[in-house]
Amino acid sequence: DGGITQSPKYLFRKEGQNVTLSCEQNLNHDAMYWYRQDPGQGLRLIYYSQIVNDFQKGDIAEGYSVSREKKESFPLTVTSAQKNPTAFYLCASSKLLGRTEAFFGQGTRLTVV
Amino acid sequence: GQQVMQIPQYQHVQEGEDFTTYCNSSTTLSNIQWYKQRPGGHPVFLIQLVKSGEVKKQKRLTFQFGEAKKNSSLHITATQTTDVGTYFCAGLLGGNTPLVFGKGTRLSVIA
Repeated sequence: DGGITQSPKYLFRKEGQNVTLSCEQNLNHDAMYWYRQDPGQGLRLIYYSQIVNDFQKGDIAEGYSVSREKKESFPLTVTSAQKNPTAFYLCASSKLLGRTEAFFGQGTRLTVV
Repeated sequence: GQQVMQIPQYQHVQEGEDFTTYCNSSTTLSNIQWYKQRPGGHPVFLIQLVKSGEVKKQKRLTFQFGEAKKNSSLHITATQTTDVGTYFCAGLLGGNTPLVFGKGTRLSVIA
């Protein structure tokens, strides 16, 4: 059963704590992405990766970090430096960067209190 | 950065009415993709357009790519309640870059 999996679906953290969101895909895709979605803001790109051990900042990378040690995995860490971390986070993957359809995970709704 | 503008932001229609959302870029796009996100769900790929002037149909949905490859539209004929959701366009501005998403059009259908 191929796909892209995000976990957990809901996450609560206290202010000042770092938190890591998981994203795993078994589609053999080279490119992976992290988006943040706020009401009325659409999808804003945080980070993307075209290949293992390489990643690039998106439009709103400040306060976030990623790693791409394996092709299948692209975890996102929301650090305490992110000023407004409460949001819906979506991970996606595609075979080629921007040129093939993207498959999205179910999303993680992070609430920081 | 480069932007892909999408209008309208919201659209409320009576069931059976038609609906159109528009996507515009100041820069020529290599391709454009459309996605649908149901309430509480995640975006799902609908279609990709690559050629200038291209028109593609999926049942009641018609997708167009402008001749100059700077604009696109999604038209739904005779909307149904199952069409409810947010429709996003996403354009590739060229080079080795990721897609740029519009802010989406949220469609509500009143039965």
